[in-house]
Amino acid sequence: DTEVTQTPKHLVMGMTNKKSLKCEQHMGHRAMYWYKQKAKKPPELMFVYSYEKLSINESVPSRFSPECPNSSLLNLHLHALQPEDSALYLCASSHRLAGGGDTQYFGPGTRLTVL
Amino acid sequence: GNSVTQMEGPVTLSEEAFLTINCTYTATGYPSLFWYVQYPGEGLQLLLKATKADDKGSNKGFEATYRKETTSFHLEKGSVQVSDSAVYFCALSDRDFNKFYFGSGTKLNVKP
Repeated sequence: DTEVTQTPKHLVMGMTNKKSLKCEQHMGHRAMYWYKQKAKKPPELMFVYSYEKLSINESVPSRFSPECPNSSLLNLHLHALQPEDSALYLCASSHRLAGGGDTQYFGPGTRLTVL
Repeated sequence: GNSVTQMEGPVTLSEEAFLTINCTYTATGYPSLFWYVQYPGEGLQLLLKATKADDKGSNKGFEATYRKETTSFHLEKGSVQVSDSAVYFCALSDRDFNKFYFGSGTKLNVKP
């Protein structure tokens, strides 16, 4: 099973709301990723967790707050977002981070709209 | 540094036509190379991969060969179907750190 699940599928929020995106995998992968994808663009890396520790933060604004409660779960907490943050948010996982070359498996994404 | 360059789209073909989507890369060291496909409203799905020079990745009639001498990983399919209409991303991952570098994506439209 190479499935990464994401909830919710769609999310509409106002600029003062607090919401969370959830990602889950049961493949035993120890690296998990958050990406942001705007229309007609490739995914942009936001955060990487390796063994439940934050390894990469690509200078993402603090209104995005990641969390990795355990090896299967990855959350992205959202607060005071801007309309330009509207995008498809993708979660991915891979067997490991260091050592390279591993396939990243992507979830279906959460379509976020900020009003 | 690492980067991936893909041919500009959209590419429009008739059903059963031959497909080539060009991908070239710049990398330090010896990366792994990937093709992902994204259907409308969905996430990225791995299409195929190659981990070393001269490897050929293949899946669902698609093929790509890792060419170190030309730093290329072109995607080919002998006979496309309407269901192949999607956006295709070429990507590389370096050996030391599994950070992906994506190309800009190529949209493929296949007409009946």
